[in-house]
Amino acid sequence: QKEVEQDPGPLSVPEGAIVSLNCTYSNSAFQYFMWYRQYSRKGPELLMYTYSSGNKEDGRFTAQVDKSSKYISLFIRDSQPSDSATYLCATYRYGNKLVFGAGTILRVKS
Amino acid sequence: KAGVTQTPRYLIKTRGQQVTLSCSPISGHRSVSWYQQTPGQGLQFLFEYFSETQRNKGNFPGRFSGRQFSNSRSEMNVSTLELGDSALYLCASSLGIGAGRVKTQYFGPGTRLLVL
Repeated sequence: QKEVEQDPGPLSVPEGAIVSLNCTYSNSAFQYFMWYRQYSRKGPELLMYTYSSGNKEDGRFTAQVDKSSKYISLFIRDSQPSDSATYLCATYRYGNKLVFGAGTILRVKS
Repeated sequence: KAGVTQTPRYLIKTRGQQVTLSCSPISGHRSVSWYQQTPGQGLQFLFEYFSETQRNKGNFPGRFSGRQFSNSRSEMNVSTLELGDSALYLCASSLGIGAGRVKTQYFGPGTRLLVL
């Protein structure tokens, strides 16, 4: 079993839709939870990170962590064609490596 | 401030050859991590260097090695290339190791390696 599971998609939505991206993880020792966005032919870029359970909002993006169910979510409101990319969730615990999900391909149609 | 740079950007090699990839971190960043990204396995951690010392290593065979220089630049080497080594190799730099890495890690554009 992989430490972080993520549905690879692709997920296709119309412009303006609310997008929900999700991951589950197996190790309760993970302390930090991140979302990265990767455009084609580019390296991943950090979108958001959270340390504890709860919600964190940044513009159109909301990251949500539920440690009791080991569930990580990213919501994108008013999705735009420019949001089309691969979204990677990642987890981290002190002294160890970052562990990434497989990535979900998102396509926002105009 | 210049971002993480990786050279070369594209590389074609044949089985059995060896390859060296280079990574220059963001100025002031002392930690460099290397990842392999493939469609099937996703992004997998190779190793991390800080102050010229390997701090963490992923589950890759000994054919994969790396090093870091005193100016924080890093190289990774793959010997006796196999077809399955075809991948995007990403380098990421951060200010330090530990929790600070979470907030300050930036990726380079990657080196796309094709093994024939």
